[in-house]
Amino acid sequence: LAKTTQPISMDSYEGQEVNITCSHNNIATNDYITWYQQFPSQGPRFIIQGYKTKVTNEVASLFIPADRKSSTLSLPRVSLSDTAVYYCLVGDQRDSSYKLIFGSGTRLLVRP
Amino acid sequence: EAGVAQSPRYKIIEKRQSVAFWCNPISGHATLYWYQQILGQGPKLLIQFQNNGVVDDSQLPKDRFSAERLKGVDSTLKIQPAKLEDSAVYLCASSLGDIPDNSPLHFGNGTRLTVT
Repeated sequence: LAKTTQPISMDSYEGQEVNITCSHNNIATNDYITWYQQFPSQGPRFIIQGYKTKVTNEVASLFIPADRKSSTLSLPRVSLSDTAVYYCLVGDQRDSSYKLIFGSGTRLLVRP
Repeated sequence: EAGVAQSPRYKIIEKRQSVAFWCNPISGHATLYWYQQILGQGPKLLIQFQNNGVVDDSQLPKDRFSAERLKGVDSTLKIQPAKLEDSAVYLCASSLGDIPDNSPLHFGNGTRLTVT
């Protein structure tokens, strides 16, 4: 039932920029796009959220094209500690229920 | 601010036994969620509360799972009787606003349940 599609896994090396793209073709007009990071044995942790164009914080940047059917999480100069699973979420509005449904996420492996 | 607290951290039970998990959300957060995460998969939403009312429980196996949120604050999730396939991490999350809302979810570190 996930409304998002992401690559299953990605590999990178320390110091590189990593871009993870998420597809959300049926995003609703009022939905934001939110990205979470999850380490083993921990709950997901909020990274960044955006509605359109570009958002940047101290951790990452989020690029959202005008049609909002996809988004790209950009992690600048990754380190080994960025090895984690990354999820993008949009809301799922059905009838009177609004839910946040996780997909399978993208497993990022950062190598030395 | 203090994060979402969950207990216990780990639990091992035999099939057909019962188990309960507890969650204390961030103070002032209106919405509380329970997710089930099976190894290698993304979290699956079980139930969501807004204050002390259930907003959605369509994915909750109601023949064995139950949940409540007392006075709109703490919440408990119970499984009775447990099955082997219930082995998973049970994550509690809370968010500031009312549903529908775009305020970020704050997760606890979960309870890892093993059913033998």
